[in-house]
Order: sequence, then C-alpha cells, then structure tokens
Amino acid sequence: DADVTQTPRNRITKTGKRIMLECSQTKGHDRMYWYRQDPGLGLRLIYYSFDVKDINKGEISDGYSVSRQAQAKFSLSLESAIPNQTALYFCATSLASGNQETQYFGPGTRLLVL
Amino acid sequence: EDQVTQSPEALRLQEGESSSLNCSYTVSGLRGLFWYRQDPGKGPEFLFTLYSAGEEKEKERLKATLTKKESFLHITAPKPEDSATYLCAVQGLYGGSQGNLIFGKGTKLSVKP
Repeated sequence: DADVTQTPRNRITKTGKRIMLECSQTKGHDRMYWYRQDPGLGLRLIYYSFDVKDINKGEISDGYSVSRQAQAKFSLSLESAIPNQTALYFCATSLASGNQETQYFGPGTRLLVL
Repeated sequence: EDQVTQSPEALRLQEGESSSLNCSYTVSGLRGLFWYRQDPGKGPEFLFTLYSAGEEKEKERLKATLTKKESFLHITAPKPEDSATYLCAVQGLYGGSQGNLIFGKGTKLSVKP
C-alpha cells in the first residue's frame, strides 16, 4: 500500500463550487504539506502543518483552506473554485528530525475547474 | 529571497550519452538541497539530499554533487527509463518559512534508444 494517498485522483468541477481534496499517510510523519503544480511555474506551497494544532499559510494560500483532522489526515478545500485553480495538487509529508528532513509526496490530484 | 534555477529546461540525450543537469541556488543558510524525479502525472519521487559543499551521493546511474552555489545531477550512460523531469529544491535555515522547500522549475530529460 502507498504511504501517502490522495483522493480523488481526478476531479472536474464548476466555477463557484466548494470542493475538498484529501490526503492520508501511514508513514507516521508529523508534518504535512499541500502544493500545487502548474506548467512552467513549478511546485508552490499552499499550506503546511507541523502538527494537528499548528497550521500555516504558504506562498499561495488565497482561495484555499485546510483542516488537519488527525496526525495522518490533512485536507485542502477550495471554498469557491475558479478556473485558475486548475492544476495538479500534491500532498507531502515529512518527519521533523533535526537538520535532516525529507518530504515524501503523494500521487497527486488533477483538478479541472470549468 | 531564496531562489532555485535549473538548467537546461529540457535535455535530449541518446542512450549511453552521459550529461549533467544544473541547479543554481541562493539561500540564507543551506539546511539541505534535494533532488526529486517526477514522471508525467505522478508525484515527485525522492532521490537525494545533500547538506554541505563537497558532498556527493550516488544511486545507480545518478550522482549528485554540491557546491556553495550549485548542485549537479550527473547521469552516466542513461537509459530510456531515466526519462523524466528532475526537480531540485532547497531548504533554508532561516526566515519566516521555517525552512520550507523552494523548488526549481525542473529539467525535462528525454533519453532516446
């Protein structure tokens, strides 16, 4: 079984709809992240969480919200989807360990907003 | 501001033709430099972490090196299955981002048989 899973893998929605992307991990990591990837722009950080009670905005948080329901679950919501939120979304996890900390990524969710 | 620039954007090689990918970075104190491989439509797959200038790491046909300003990913005698986009990211020691990863835009490698 995959260590980091994302659901759904593909989603088509309409402008103005609220949608939620979910991430679960079995790696036992404390830190979780949401990124989006756009052609030509690379990976950009949306939100990150260092534990259940610690949630922080990343580089591009406007239009998004998150919920850390448990150590293993981190959800990303688009309150009112717009077409320029069409992108690949990735969840990642890491374990805080001094200066050595590697992020491991999920398989991604491809989102199309019409 | 922390920045990562990867070059070239795309690289086409013949099978067996060795080459290098470049990752130039500016960061206020390097905590780590990361290389990932990404296949189309999939999540980035971790390859290497480098922590200090002079460090080298190898995995099969890949070798990553680090200086104070850049990292190279050397690919020796590549095979078609090495075709992918290679991503570089840095993690800084300081700043409000608490050491989050800053990614480059990637180098798309194509290896033809």
